[in-house]
Amino acid sequence: KQEVTQIPAALSVPEGENLVLNCSFTDSAIYNLQWFRQDPGKGLTSLLLIQSSQREQTSGRLNASLDKSSGRSTLYIAASQPGDSATYLCAVRANAGNMLTFGGGTRLMVKP
Amino acid sequence: EPEVTQTPSHQVTQMGQEVILRCVPISNHLYFYWYRQILGQKVEFLVSFYNNEISEKSEIFDDQFSVERPDGSNFTLKIRSTKLEDSAMYFCASSGTGADTDTQYFGPGTRLTVL
Repeated sequence: KQEVTQIPAALSVPEGENLVLNCSFTDSAIYNLQWFRQDPGKGLTSLLLIQSSQREQTSGRLNASLDKSSGRSTLYIAASQPGDSATYLCAVRANAGNMLTFGGGTRLMVKP
Repeated sequence: EPEVTQTPSHQVTQMGQEVILRCVPISNHLYFYWYRQILGQKVEFLVSFYNNEISEKSEIFDDQFSVERPDGSNFTLKIRSTKLEDSAMYFCASSGTGADTDTQYFGPGTRLTVL
């Protein structure tokens, strides 16, 4: 059964810092991996989707990398801003089916 | 930009009552999903729906749950007899076709409170 883990569970950084969020998964037979942002009491906003054949994807200040064989993905946030404060979730989709298996999230606080 | 919408935003019900949670997926999407998130826990998959039938479901999605696409735009989740442990945020999601087939887009959620 796929297990997804995110470390750290919480992170506090000063504004302007570059940071890396980590996601690991136990079964490397994945179809893709998706990063989401969740604001308190709100829904999930898709940030990036990275296919199993890709090594990285970029969107603005965000860069997601994927090392499928080692079961790891990272989300790099450049020049962090207070508006980036949220919980970041990673989710993997297996080769069979469409269901996403989620990690527990990293709660990020960017202090002005 | 198209988005998934859900109603109501918050539903309070008594244990044993039936509830129906409603979703309007993005209009050209073909795959629909329900997930839930119990407070402080991970988001969990419940069910996926394609071509008017369930394509995949989790162990959570037992006989108390059902899904329906009653018309061309709505997608519903029914919980037949709610339990206290059904209290959670329920998210609807959809995914489409073409270049962005695989991205699942989530709605804002319905917070279900069972008393």
